[in-house]
Amino acid sequence: AQSVTQPDIHITVSEGASLELRCNYSYGATPYLFWYVQSPGQGLQLLLKYFSGDTLVQGIKGFEAEFKRSQSSFNLRKPSVHWSDAAEYFCAVGAESGGSNYKLTFGKGTLLTVNP
Amino acid sequence: DARVTQTPRHKVTEMGQEVTMRCQPILGHNTVFWYRQTMMQGLELLAYFRNRAPLDDSGMPKDRFSAEMPDATLATLKIQPSEPRDSAVYFCASGLVGLGLRNIQYFGAGTRLSVL
Repeated sequence: AQSVTQPDIHITVSEGASLELRCNYSYGATPYLFWYVQSPGQGLQLLLKYFSGDTLVQGIKGFEAEFKRSQSSFNLRKPSVHWSDAAEYFCAVGAESGGSNYKLTFGKGTLLTVNP
Repeated sequence: DARVTQTPRHKVTEMGQEVTMRCQPILGHNTVFWYRQTMMQGLELLAYFRNRAPLDDSGMPKDRFSAEMPDATLATLKIQPSEPRDSAVYFCASGLVGLGLRNIQYFGAGTRLSVL
């Protein structure tokens, strides 16, 4: 069964500082990996996705993530955080399309607070 | 800008009442997912449909919850009778999934349900 672990429940950074949010997954085959962001009172917005190929993927809002198969990780990074990045971030893993499993499994989320 | 539309955005009801939540998926998407989000459990998949057929509803309490997709532009989630423990934010997501396609889910803004 697929699973996702986000070890950090809450992270606080200062505006302008770099950010790394951790995500570890468990999946038996080649995973599809996603990062979503949720602002208060809003739905989840897709930040970026990894399907295959280059293990460093770029997303919206200046975010990037690196897939490391050997570590079963897909960590999210941003070189300089803005106050508007304060939100909750979710990592998710899914199966390759073509099977019958179209589910995404989400982590519990990491709440990001940005100090001025 | 295509988006998933959910109505109502907020619903307050009394225990025992019927609640119906609606979702209009993005035009052309063939799969609709229903999630429930609570502080304690995080994001849970309740059910999903592909080409309007229910594929998996194992996450849904069968005795009181039902999900349907009467046509390609409307998915409904019904709770009857509602209970205080059903208080949560319910999200609908849609995607285009299948052989050779990417399993990307796009989320609506959610329905915040409070059962008194």
